[in-house]
Amino acid sequence: SSELTQDPAVSVALGQTVRITCQGDGLRSYYARWYQQKPGQAPVLVIYGKNNRPSGIPDRFSGANSGNTASLTITGAQAEDEADYYCCSRDSSNNHVVFGGGTKVTVL
Amino acid sequence: QVQLQESGPGLVKPSETLSLTCTVSGFSISSAYYWGWIRQPPGKGLEWIGDIYRDGSTSYNPSLKSRVTISEDMSKNQFSLRLSSVTAADTAVYYCARDSGGPGLSSWGQGTVVTVSS
Repeated sequence: SSELTQDPAVSVALGQTVRITCQGDGLRSYYARWYQQKPGQAPVLVIYGKNNRPSGIPDRFSGANSGNTASLTITGAQAEDEADYYCCSRDSSNNHVVFGGGTKVTVL
Repeated sequence: QVQLQESGPGLVKPSETLSLTCTVSGFSISSAYYWGWIRQPPGKGLEWIGDIYRDGSTSYNPSLKSRVTISEDMSKNQFSLRLSSVTAADTAVYYCARDSGGPGLSSWGQGTVVTVSS
């Protein structure tokens, strides 16, 4: 199955660390990409590959992969990190892209 | 720097066909990568609709495949989405995006709201 499963919501205290997970059989073979989406805005890529950040993404964002689980960690969460986060992968067996359901991160 | 911009009607009647165009600047769609469409219904998550590769080959979300056509016009550096027989469930923000391979959907348009209503 190419489905990706995420927890719907998580909260973190300002300055603390939060880990968001994404589970799916396809992740055993292919890295997840992670997107941040703030209200009324288009998604923004924050992590791709083994643990790569596009230019301009703060280094408090990091990614990891183990078995069928990918994770996004925000170390020292800031108020501006409050957003929805989506994992995504392309399944090369059928060339389809699939998104996880998204995780809403609230910074307290 | 690549930029993408969606355009098309913001209101479509039920049973009709939704048509959107994505105009790309700063990069030739014929040179590389996948060029795709993603949508987001109000208050819901992201849904991949499908994409087109530089060679014209297409991939579609199985749940939408029977109603979707993605095409390209290299002379205008544009690609387009057609979604037929729309219902209220197709009301969403529609995004076009570039899939750069490893980085995935690395560049997005700002999105356009499409409402299906009579």
